[in-house]
Amino acid sequence: DARVTQTPRDKVTEMGQEVTMRCQPILGHNTVFWYRQTMMQGLELLAYFRNRAPLDDSGMPKDRFSAEMPDATLATLKIQPSEPRDSAVYFCASGPGLNKETQYFGPGTRLLVL
Amino acid sequence: GENVEQHPSTLSVQEGDSAVIKCTYSDSASNYFPWYKQELGKGPQLIIDIRSNVGEKKDQRIAVTLNKTAKHFSLHITETQPEDSAVYFCAASISDSWGKLQFGAGTQVVVTP
Repeated sequence: DARVTQTPRDKVTEMGQEVTMRCQPILGHNTVFWYRQTMMQGLELLAYFRNRAPLDDSGMPKDRFSAEMPDATLATLKIQPSEPRDSAVYFCASGPGLNKETQYFGPGTRLLVL
Repeated sequence: GENVEQHPSTLSVQEGDSAVIKCTYSDSASNYFPWYKQELGKGPQLIIDIRSNVGEKKDQRIAVTLNKTAKHFSLHITETQPEDSAVYFCAASISDSWGKLQFGAGTQVVVTP
């Protein structure tokens, strides 16, 4: 049963620290999405990639967030420095690309910045 | 850009009854409409989707209908069970983008035994 995996599942850190979240998309999928979910804002798209190339990261605060895909099996989302307002659940989703809009979500990383 | 509105925000039903969630979208070029179910502490799970060339799609107890003219689509859950309790999200594809989706705000469904 192919699934998107994310690590860590939970992260507690102090303000100012660097946070790195990792995602392994479903093997063979060529689109990868990063979302942030909060009670107030719902699901927000931060960035997405196709064939490892960034297509859109306009939803991401550029001064502190960065997203990369060093290879086809790994996507990373980094926050440096982290702030309390970054506390949220971060989801990665991947899609097969053929039906390009179909997305399958990972279990998420719950981030708490103190 | 695309805007998706979802109603109701909460829905309480008795076990065995039907539940209906409705979404409207603004971009007539949208052509893909998935529904996701999110249980507490988990990621959204795709449960059914429909494309604009189809008016209705059914999978066991869940069905989705699409009215392109009115730009709305609905999720129907029949014979609800306690395990159907979750937050449900609708979404619509954003035209001229590679795979981006616009999500609704979500509906908290509670099925009481």
